[in-house]
Amino acid sequence: NAGVTQTPKFRILKIGQSMTLQCTQDMNHNYMYWYRQDPGMGLKLIYYSVGAGITDKGEVPNGYNVSRSTTEDFPLRLELAAPSQTSVYFCATPGPLAGGRAGELFFGEGSRLTVL
Amino acid sequence: ILNVEQSPQSLHVQEGDSTNFTCSFPSSNFYALHWYRWETAKSPEALFVMTLNGDEKKKGRISATLNTKEGYSYLYIKGSQPEDSATYLCALKPNAGGTSYGKLTFGQGTILTVHP
Repeated sequence: NAGVTQTPKFRILKIGQSMTLQCTQDMNHNYMYWYRQDPGMGLKLIYYSVGAGITDKGEVPNGYNVSRSTTEDFPLRLELAAPSQTSVYFCATPGPLAGGRAGELFFGEGSRLTVL
Repeated sequence: ILNVEQSPQSLHVQEGDSTNFTCSFPSSNFYALHWYRWETAKSPEALFVMTLNGDEKKKGRISATLNTKEGYSYLYIKGSQPEDSATYLCALKPNAGGTSYGKLTFGQGTILTVHP
């Protein structure tokens, strides 16, 4: 049981390049989230999904796109990378024993992206 | 936009010291309060999920209290050890139903360093 798996763990991009951060979960939960962590700023919600085919914007969606074709996968795409997107990106899901709406999130190990 | 504040931003203590941090949140918009522990290059892991005013939770040397009327939570670490060095994040789940499930607002974190 791997939980939440993110790839790649590290990536350096040039300004204007595109890339996709992959996220896969085996916890069989409908809800999945992408957060970014900037130093001293806390985690900010980028996009979330409540099930296959359904996605919605979070607090900081500009410059990103998502899709959700299966319950397991929730990729995050950066179309035109900018230095402001240098961050640590976390994918998360409530998991199987979420304890209702208050339940904890299970996170992947993070993807560290640098845009130069 | 909800404002979740953590203090201090960073803390250096000696091994064996006891320490505590604060998480403040708007008391008018509360459903649950999460505490996470995040070690660099690892996934943030949930420590506690607290929902009731007056809640006290404990896991080993770490404990937390919750005051929803005044909008704060304390995290205590008794007899700090070097392995406690991490960033401690609190997150508020506001009182909203539907697709707010799992949409947390995070504080900026408290970075704890325990020196041997």
